[in-house]
Amino acid sequence: DAKTTQPTSMDCAEGRAANLPCNHSTISGNEYVYWYRQIHSQGPQYIIHGLKNNETNEMASLIITEDRKSSTLILPHATLRDTAVYYCIVRATGSSASKIIFGSGTRLSIRP
Amino acid sequence: KAGVTQTPRYLIKTRGQQVTLSCSPISGHRSVSWYQQTPGQGLQFLFEYFSETQRNKGNFPGRFSGRQFSNSRSEMNVSTLELGDSALYLCASSGVVSDLNNEQFFGPGTRLTVL
Repeated sequence: DAKTTQPTSMDCAEGRAANLPCNHSTISGNEYVYWYRQIHSQGPQYIIHGLKNNETNEMASLIITEDRKSSTLILPHATLRDTAVYYCIVRATGSSASKIIFGSGTRLSIRP
Repeated sequence: KAGVTQTPRYLIKTRGQQVTLSCSPISGHRSVSWYQQTPGQGLQFLFEYFSETQRNKGNFPGRFSGRQFSNSRSEMNVSTLELGDSALYLCASSGVVSDLNNEQFFGPGTRLTVL
């Protein structure tokens, strides 16, 4: 079973920030939070990951709460191309790919 | 760097047939994993290979098998196809053995339809 819970769907206006929440209340100390997204009928695309500090890259920002029980992926200026299913995953250091459990994800729709 | 490539992209087979799917990882990547994605079950782990050895296997019947070659390219085979095997089969590669917690880079997938 997935160790994360995410809203089934969200929508956001184009040009605005999209904030996608994820709960991972049972996360262990050595588990990272990963985010992937999947555009229809394509393979999942890695977005960002973090352990406990906030992270930012060219695609998004990841905000992890101090207790690490939840996180938020932020797409700062959403575009129509950001319409996809977003998956939040927790994965331990040293774990194999078999431990990557994709839940149902959040279907993000960007409105023009 | 070229991404993960999978061939063929689309495939139609009939029940009882067998199929072989191919995956070429990103150059330099030695770990390859396979996943099955269906609308009902979501994305499920099939197996993981590193240096031609299967490191982990998901909960799939023995009809699903795979292998990895010395150049890190990988194939998966499904024998005696069933209607329920219709799915998007995804391959992912990572830079080194997953001990270093590297992200997985996914290919575009092979869409298999079993009639």
